Amino acid sequence: GAVVSQHPSRVICKSGTSVKIECRSLDFQATTMFWYRQFPKQSLMLMATSNEGSKATYEQGVEKDKFLINHASLTLSTLTVTSAHPEDSSFYICSARTPGTGYTFGSGTRLTVV
Amino acid sequence: QKEVEQNSGPLSVPEGAIASLNCTYSDRGSQSFFWYRQYSGKSPELIMFIYSNGDKEDGRFTAQLNKASQYVSLLIRDSQPSDSATYLCAGFSGTYKYIFGTGTRLKVLA
Repeated sequence: GAVVSQHPSRVICKSGTSVKIECRSLDFQATTMFWYRQFPKQSLMLMATSNEGSKATYEQGVEKDKFLINHASLTLSTLTVTSAHPEDSSFYICSARTPGTGYTFGSGTRLTVV
Repeated sequence: QKEVEQNSGPLSVPEGAIASLNCTYSDRGSQSFFWYRQYSGKSPELIMFIYSNGDKEDGRFTAQLNKASQYVSLLIRDSQPSDSATYLCAGFSGTYKYIFGTGTRLKVLA
């Protein structure tokens, strides 16, 4: 089946630094990638929708300058958390619409900002 | 406010029993619904989807949709301890977005 590869799976960074998370679609082209954030024991909250070759659409309350999304090719979308703070510590997950039906999630990235 | 609501649980059922997970939604424009299973610390994985009124069966899982009542459910027959996880209901709106419920934690007792 369709696979979305997400890296890194875990990252610990110092406060004030930036972290890049990559999601690659394997064996299919992902024209649209969704980025979610999930805090412990809470549901997935959509942060933004990225479309290949155009600017991402951010959900209300999500800072576009802090969470930079790039979708430069049909198989790669990246999320960069800039000037990370401890409150940005969360589980970040990407998702792409896959051929047929449904959406496939990446394996997630556990970000810890210390 | 467009919402998908689930009871957070935990829902505890004995091994071999039927687990019934419920979900209600407020957006009548939602076209299809998905059930995902999420183990702790892992990404969600799709169990099944449904977009027509009625029942849809896939192995031990049956999804039920009632658009008039804005209600979706997932039945798990012959529940196994390995089914213990959080089950997320998601509605897919006309704006091509998932709206996720908060999830129901299921515990299957051996």
